[in-house]
Amino acid sequence: DIVMTQSPLSLPVTPGEPASISCNSSQSLLHGHGYNYLDWYLQKPGQSPQLLIYLGSNRASGVPDRFSGSGSGTDFTLKISTVEAEDVGVYYCMQALQSPCTFGQGTMLEIK
Amino acid sequence: EVQVMESGGGLVQPGGSLRLSCAASGFTFSNYAMSWVRQVPGKGLEWVSGINNSDGGTDYADSVKGRFIISRDNSKNMLYMQMDSLRVEDTAIYYCRGYFNGVDVWGQGTTVTVSS
Repeated sequence: DIVMTQSPLSLPVTPGEPASISCNSSQSLLHGHGYNYLDWYLQKPGQSPQLLIYLGSNRASGVPDRFSGSGSGTDFTLKISTVEAEDVGVYYCMQALQSPCTFGQGTMLEIK
Repeated sequence: EVQVMESGGGLVQPGGSLRLSCAASGFTFSNYAMSWVRQVPGKGLEWVSGINNSDGGTDYADSVKGRFIISRDNSKNMLYMQMDSLRVEDTAIYYCRGYFNGVDVWGQGTTVTVSS
């Protein structure tokens, strides 16, 4: 199975400041047709996960443009340009290249 | 409104069975790859099983292979998971998830508790 490793696991952020989460995969997630099969999710407290970024860098519908995804191969980053209070929760990366889909451990973003 | 809604969770003894259901609405269900993802409260996400939208091919996590069976009925917009030989470690919230072309829909989850 592909192992997904996130860092940091805890991320205290002041509102208005930027934030960045890293995700590393044990195998390349770059498919032959050029897409990276890496998604980012946010699970807000008490809610189901919601898709933020798919195929490495594409924002899902309705996701604010302060969220961006980048990276290729085995190293990926989720960036929030200016954190807002509503962004608190646990962020997960997930690889969908190979079955079974596997998730990172999660990064808990909290407001300072 | 695009949504899925799980049902069928509950308390069951080790070795018992449950059948989870997921009702989809507001989208063309037959286009979507569907899966079950579980989460022990306070812990991370674990993909359990998936079924594709094309040929109905299925796949399972090693932890449930041979005990769980995923299926879908496109005529009824329903996803199912038959869970047999349940173990204490299967205790979790089970989410139904659908995905198609960057559109992702999750239910609120149904809780499965395996305990004597």
